[in-house]
Amino acid sequence: DQQVKQNSPSLSVQEGRISILNCDYTNSMFDYFLWYKKYPAEGPTFLISISSIKDKNEDGRFTVFLNKSAKHLSLHIVPSQPGDSAVYFCAASADAGGTSYGKLTFGQGTILTVHP
Amino acid sequence: EAQVTQNPRYLITVTGKKLTVTCSQNMNHEYMSWYRQDPGLGLRQIYYSMNVEVTDKGDVPEGYKVSRKEKRNFPLILESPSPNQTSLYFCASSLYPGGRYNEKLFFGSGTQLSVL
Repeated sequence: DQQVKQNSPSLSVQEGRISILNCDYTNSMFDYFLWYKKYPAEGPTFLISISSIKDKNEDGRFTVFLNKSAKHLSLHIVPSQPGDSAVYFCAASADAGGTSYGKLTFGQGTILTVHP
Repeated sequence: EAQVTQNPRYLITVTGKKLTVTCSQNMNHEYMSWYRQDPGLGLRQIYYSMNVEVTDKGDVPEGYKVSRKEKRNFPLILESPSPNQTSLYFCASSLYPGGRYNEKLFFGSGTQLSVL
């Protein structure tokens, strides 16, 4: 059972435009969400995160939005740059002390290609 | 330089021949974890460790063993590898895992394992 889903395997965007990557989750115990970026032949690196007490978090060109009622989060990249081309994974975790403590559940990933 | 080091980067082996993938971190992190990445399935957690001598199963632990005898090292052991364990493996570490203390995970560069 895939608790975190990224339904778009790939996304192609023109340089300068907005990239929107989506992620859905099913486990209502998740209360912290993260996005990781992965380049070929490298490990994933942390990009941005959001707590369930917020609905938006910004870091430069990257903004993550959380809609708890829809169990949906999205990553916006504005403006998109060719160097943003990578695989993006969303991930979710539950609060410390629960049975899920220590587990980070990832989605399948979305390949973003930004064309010059 | 703060890093998570995995070895080897590439490994080809045959069914049933025991192997170990090493993982070491130099950040004094409490938490370490192993993931495997497969097409269409994203990153799935194999085992994790909250501290020395404390390990627990992730989502796909079958066929794997781990040990955490010292804080910096967290080797992944395949006692009798099978072709369905052909995958890209990542080790990761963090000061604290998910939840309210959520610290981001630092990943190694990955180990591509092929079991023939």
